[in-house]
Amino acid sequence: DIQMTQSPSSLSASVGDRVTITCRASQSISSYLNWYQQKPGKAPKLLIYAASSLQSGVPSRFSGSGSGTDFTLTINSLQPEDFATYYCQQSYSTTTFGGGTKVEIK
Amino acid sequence: QVQLVESGGGVVQPGGSLRLSCAASGFTFSSYGMHWVRQAPGRGLEWVALIRYDGRNKYHADSVKGRFTISRDNSKNTLYLQMNSLKPEDTAVYYCAKDRDGDFVVDYWGQGTLVTVSS
Repeated sequence: DIQMTQSPSSLSASVGDRVTITCRASQSISSYLNWYQQKPGKAPKLLIYAASSLQSGVPSRFSGSGSGTDFTLTINSLQPEDFATYYCQQSYSTTTFGGGTKVEIK
Repeated sequence: QVQLVESGGGVVQPGGSLRLSCAASGFTFSSYGMHWVRQAPGRGLEWVALIRYDGRNKYHADSVKGRFTISRDNSKNTLYLQMNSLKPEDTAVYYCAKDRDGDFVVDYWGQGTLVTVSS
């Protein structure tokens, strides 16, 4: 099974900051990497698929990059509504989620 | 708009069974694969199972293989998860979710139904 490791597990940031979250796969997954946002008590929401494709309706301040084993989710100019937990997911071989990164208000 | 509404959650004793249902609307249900994904209290997301659009191919996580079975009725636009031999570690919110394009990417989620396994 492919393991997905996210870092950091949590971070504190301020409105307007640029935030970067990383996700590492235990083996190469090409670009089969997706990112989700989840707010407390709510279902997750798809942000990015295929490493860098923005899901329809998602603000352009969200971007994804990477291929192989190392991937990044970047949030430019963090907004109040972006405080949430973010998960990566590999879809190369069935699927596995990362452990999550909680973005908190500094 | 896409709507996914789960039902069937509740409290069950260890070793017991439960069947979850998910009523889908707002899209052509018979054209898309469907997932179950769960989240234990305070924990991360865990994929449980996927069924292809026509029901012919099913995939289950190792943690539930042999105990849980995903199925669908395209005539009723409904997804199911039959859960047998339940364990306390199966306690979680179970989400029904739509596959984006046959690629294990989840583009829509239901609001979830809570399953509690406890004596």
